[in-house]
Amino acid sequence: AQSVAQPEDQVNVAEGNPLTVKCTYSVSGNPYLFWYVQYPNRGLQFLLKYITGDNLVKGSYGFEAEFNKSQTSFHLKKPSALVSDSALYFCAVRTGFQKLVFGTGTRLLVSP
Amino acid sequence: DAGITQSPRHKVTETGTPVTLRCHQTENHRYMYWYRQDPGHGLRLIHYSYGVKDTDKGEVSDGYSVSRSKTEDFLLTLESATSSQTSVYFCAISEGTGENEQFFGPGTRLTVL
Repeated sequence: AQSVAQPEDQVNVAEGNPLTVKCTYSVSGNPYLFWYVQYPNRGLQFLLKYITGDNLVKGSYGFEAEFNKSQTSFHLKKPSALVSDSALYFCAVRTGFQKLVFGTGTRLLVSP
Repeated sequence: DAGITQSPRHKVTETGTPVTLRCHQTENHRYMYWYRQDPGHGLRLIHYSYGVKDTDKGEVSDGYSVSRSKTEDFLLTLESATSSQTSVYFCAISEGTGENEQFFGPGTRLTVL
């Protein structure tokens, strides 16, 4: 079965430092991978996706993600964190018929 | 939130009562989804629709039913609400190819007492 894992419940980083939110996947075939962000009391917002091509994918708000096939990972990164990046982040993989399977989420806390 | 509304936004109900949540889209997207969000579980798919009157079960469909009589509306019904169905419910839409991302509504917080 297709699945993703987010091994960290929470990531803490100081403002201005680089951040990484980890995601690993398990799929048969080529993966379609997605990152979403959720701010308090809001729905999920799409950040970026990997379908094919360049392993480094750029997305919204300065975020990027690196697809690594040998490590089956799709980590979310940002060179310089902002306090406003504090939110809940979800990794997801397409499975079967136009459906997504989500990870359990990682809370990012950026301190001033 | 990409032309998606959910109603109601908050609801408190009692065990055993029926509840219907509504999702309305203005994007004319073919696919619509209902998820529930619970701590420690992320988002889990309840039901989805791939066209008018075309629906299928997701990962956690027991106790839920759906209907889609128009492209723009997707209804989620809890026939007899239980406390385990206390959750935040999100509707999502997608244009439908595997490459397309899903867009999410603002959510409905449901409490079953």
